Amino acid sequence: NAGVTQTPKFRILKIGQSMTLQCAQDMNHNYMYWYRQDPGMGLKLIYYSVGAGITDKGEVPNGYNVSRSTTEDFPLRLELAAPSQTSVYFCASSYSRSDQPQHFGDGTRLSIL
Amino acid sequence: GENVEQHPSTLSVQEGDSAVIKCTYSDSASNYFPWYKQELGKRPQLIIDIRSNVGEKKDQRIAVTLNKTAKHFSLHITETQPEDSAVYFCAASIDDYKLSFGAGTTVTVRA
Repeated sequence: NAGVTQTPKFRILKIGQSMTLQCAQDMNHNYMYWYRQDPGMGLKLIYYSVGAGITDKGEVPNGYNVSRSTTEDFPLRLELAAPSQTSVYFCASSYSRSDQPQHFGDGTRLSIL
Repeated sequence: GENVEQHPSTLSVQEGDSAVIKCTYSDSASNYFPWYKQELGKRPQLIIDIRSNVGEKKDQRIAVTLNKTAKHFSLHITETQPEDSAVYFCAASIDDYKLSFGAGTTVTVRA
């Protein structure tokens, strides 16, 4: 059981470039989340999904897009990278509303220069 | 939306002493309060959680208390050890799946 797997672990982008952060879970969890963590700050929710085909915005969705075509995968897309998107990105999953604990991946450290 | 404030931002304790971290939340409808521990460069990991129908919960050296009237909850670590050094985050949820996190407390346990 790998849990929540994120790729890549590190990436440097130039301003204006695009990329997709990958997230996969093998725990058959229905709920998946994307957070960003800026230095010295807590986690901010970007997008979340309650099941395949269903996504919704969190606190800080601007500049990002997501899709959820399968239960296992929840990729995060940056279309036009900006320096303000330099952050550590965490993907998480949980089974259901009544089983709240969220399981996190190892994170993707993204720098935009 | 929910606003969670966490204090202190840094905490230094002598090994064997207790550590207390406090969080306040804004939305009285919040019903789930987890605490996460994050070691340097690692993923956040759940260490304890509490639901709004419970006032206190313990797990070995860790305990969490909840005061719904005052809208605050606290993490207590007793008999601190060097491996307790980490950043601790509180969070609150009103939707049973979306979490709002505090800014974190960096705990340093001095040997």
